[in-house]
Amino acid sequence: RKEVEQDPGPFNVPEGATVAFNCTYSNSASQSFFWYRQDCRKEPKLLMSVYSSGNEDGRFTAQLNRASQYISLLIRDSKLSDSATYLCVVPFSGGYNKLIFGAGTRLAVHP
Amino acid sequence: DTGVSQNPRHKITKRGQNVTFRCDPISEHNRLYWYRQTLGQGPEFLTYFQNEAQLEKSRLLSDRFSAERPKGSFSTLEIQRTEQGDSAMYLCASSSGTSGGPNTDTQYFGPGTRLTVL
Repeated sequence: RKEVEQDPGPFNVPEGATVAFNCTYSNSASQSFFWYRQDCRKEPKLLMSVYSSGNEDGRFTAQLNRASQYISLLIRDSKLSDSATYLCVVPFSGGYNKLIFGAGTRLAVHP
Repeated sequence: DTGVSQNPRHKITKRGQNVTFRCDPISEHNRLYWYRQTLGQGPEFLTYFQNEAQLEKSRLLSDRFSAERPKGSFSTLEIQRTEQGDSAMYLCASSSGTSGGPNTDTQYFGPGTRLTVL
């Protein structure tokens, strides 16, 4: 089993739609989680951090279920500018904060 | 621009040649990371520096790869005798190491160096 697994995508949605991405992780000791956004041929940028059961920032909501080792990202009222790849990220619990990335889920928002 | 910078942005080389990439982290960030990303995959951890000390290396980092951070500021990643399988985006990230402990320390990524080995 991969350490971090994500929905393969791509997700093609119209503007205004609500879309959810799922992510599962294998290390039950992980304490914090991140969603990074990566535009085509650009570097990953931090979108949200999740330390407790969830986090909300405007149109974006991240939820964490530790029992199921499952993280989700919900995007409401999708914008064209939300088109990107969304990377689920789990810090390695063994120390030094190296990040373990999922393969990413690609989102394409169309008019 | 006070973000992480990387040079060169693109590198095309022939198989067997040596290449060196440079990363300048955000000023005063004491933690520096190298990752590698291939098409359709997320970044994979290569190595980590705390100041000038290289504290962790992935098994992905073969003997042909070496990284340094001699004065605890910029870092270089060298690949010797490049192979076609080395073609990837090489990303550098830095973090301050001061925000709530190691598992909450935000990493900021540079724009990457895209390596193509012919």
